[in-house]
Amino acid sequence: AQKVTQAQTEISVVEKEDVTLDCVYETRDTTYYLFWYKQPPSGELVFLIRRNSFDEQNEISGRYSWNFQKSTSSFNFTITASQVVDSAVYFCALKVWTTSGTYKYIFGTGTRLKVLA
Amino acid sequence: DAGVIQSPRHEVTEMGQEVTLRCKLISGHNSLFWYRQTMMRGLELLIYFNNNVPIDDSGMPEDRFSAKMPNASFSTLKIQPSEPRDSAVYFCASSLQGMNTEAFFGQGTRLTVV
Repeated sequence: AQKVTQAQTEISVVEKEDVTLDCVYETRDTTYYLFWYKQPPSGELVFLIRRNSFDEQNEISGRYSWNFQKSTSSFNFTITASQVVDSAVYFCALKVWTTSGTYKYIFGTGTRLKVLA
Repeated sequence: DAGVIQSPRHEVTEMGQEVTLRCKLISGHNSLFWYRQTMMRGLELLIYFNNNVPIDDSGMPEDRFSAKMPNASFSTLKIQPSEPRDSAVYFCASSLQGMNTEAFFGQGTRLTVV
């Protein structure tokens, strides 16, 4: 089965705290991509990052960092020194090859992050 | 490019009426995805197209739902007849074909069926 699990439904933190959003995926494919998207209150899903299955190097972009570990099938997302503007729903997604010869995205259920001032 | 454009942004309709949601892809993109988002079920993939051809419609909830791509840049999702349980936010997303490409989402259509 191919699946993405975001076990944290909702997280609340106080501004300036660090927070980690968990993502665990399942696939038998050896080649795949992982993504994170942000859905702010305005509603549109915004792409944040993609990572291919052969690149386990962690990535940092400003206050955002991503930790990809194939051994645990996880692709976790950390926000350092959180800000109120980080409040959003965050989705993790897996992109896999299909038997139809194309690709599709499998999204997790999302984690709602509330950053309190 | 203006991004993926969906219309209308909001739709309120009465049960039994036909509803048509529209989506304009980003120019050059050849994959199109329709998703439905609800509190209970999260983000569900309804159907996706590649080069205007429907690839997988197993997520379409019932025969009341249909989707088309009359050309490479435009798609519609139709619900006929609509029911209150269809109330949700409907997103379309487009991408280039390929494993390493991300999907770009429209702003969604919030559908309310009363």
